[in-house]
Amino acid sequence: RKEVEQDPGPFNVPEGATVAFNCTYSNSASQSFFWYRQDCRKEPKLLMSVYSSGNEDGRFTAQLNRASQYISLLIRDSKLSDSATYLCVVNAAGNKLTFGGGTRVLVKP
Amino acid sequence: GAGVSQSPSNKVTEKGKDVELRCDPISGHTALYWYRQSLGQGLEFLIYFQGNSAPDKSGLPSDRFSAERTGGSVSTLTIQRTQQEDSAVYLCASSPDRGDYEQYFGPGTRLTVT
Repeated sequence: RKEVEQDPGPFNVPEGATVAFNCTYSNSASQSFFWYRQDCRKEPKLLMSVYSSGNEDGRFTAQLNRASQYISLLIRDSKLSDSATYLCVVNAAGNKLTFGGGTRVLVKP
Repeated sequence: GAGVSQSPSNKVTEKGKDVELRCDPISGHTALYWYRQSLGQGLEFLIYFQGNSAPDKSGLPSDRFSAERTGGSVSTLTIQRTQQEDSAVYLCASSPDRGDYEQYFGPGTRLTVT
C-alpha cells in the first residue's frame, strides 16, 4: 500500500459546481497535512495546510479525519482557473514530506 | 524576493553520460529537498538536506544518484551513467526549517536521456 493515495481522476466539473476528493494516508503517526496545487508543466505550490479542526480559505475547504486516516479538499463555485492537479502531502516522520500522486481536476464551461 | 532557481531548465543527454543538476534555494532556507517527477506521475522524494545534519538519502533510487549541498546553500544532484528511465523532471524545493513549513519549489530541470 502506498503511503499516500489519491484518486488520479480526472474529475470533470461544470463551472460553478462543487467538487470534493479525498486522500488516504497509511501512517497513523502522521502529523502535518497539506494540499498543493500543480498546474500543467509547472512546479507545485502550496494551496493550504490542513488543520485538525478543518479549515477554509475562500472557496476551498480542507478536512482531516484521523480516525479513518484521510484528508479531503472541497472546491465550491468552481472556476475555470481551478483546473489543475491537486497533490496531497503528508509529513509522517522527521522532515520528509510524502506526496500523493495527485488528483486532476478539469473545470469546463 | 528571488525564489528557488534551478539550472539547466532542460538537459538532453546520451545514455551512459553523467549529468549535474543545480539548485539555488531561497536565501536563509535551511532545508532543501530534491524530488523527481515522471510524466503524469506524482513527486518521488530523492534526498533531503537540513542545516549541518547528515542528509536523508532514503529516496535515492540507486548508487548512480548522489547529491551534495555546499556551504548550506547551493545543491547539486549528480546522476552517473544515465539510463533512459532517469528521464523525468527533477524538482528542488527549500523551506525555512522543518518539514511542516511550506516548501517552495523551483521550476525544475527536465532531463531527457536518449
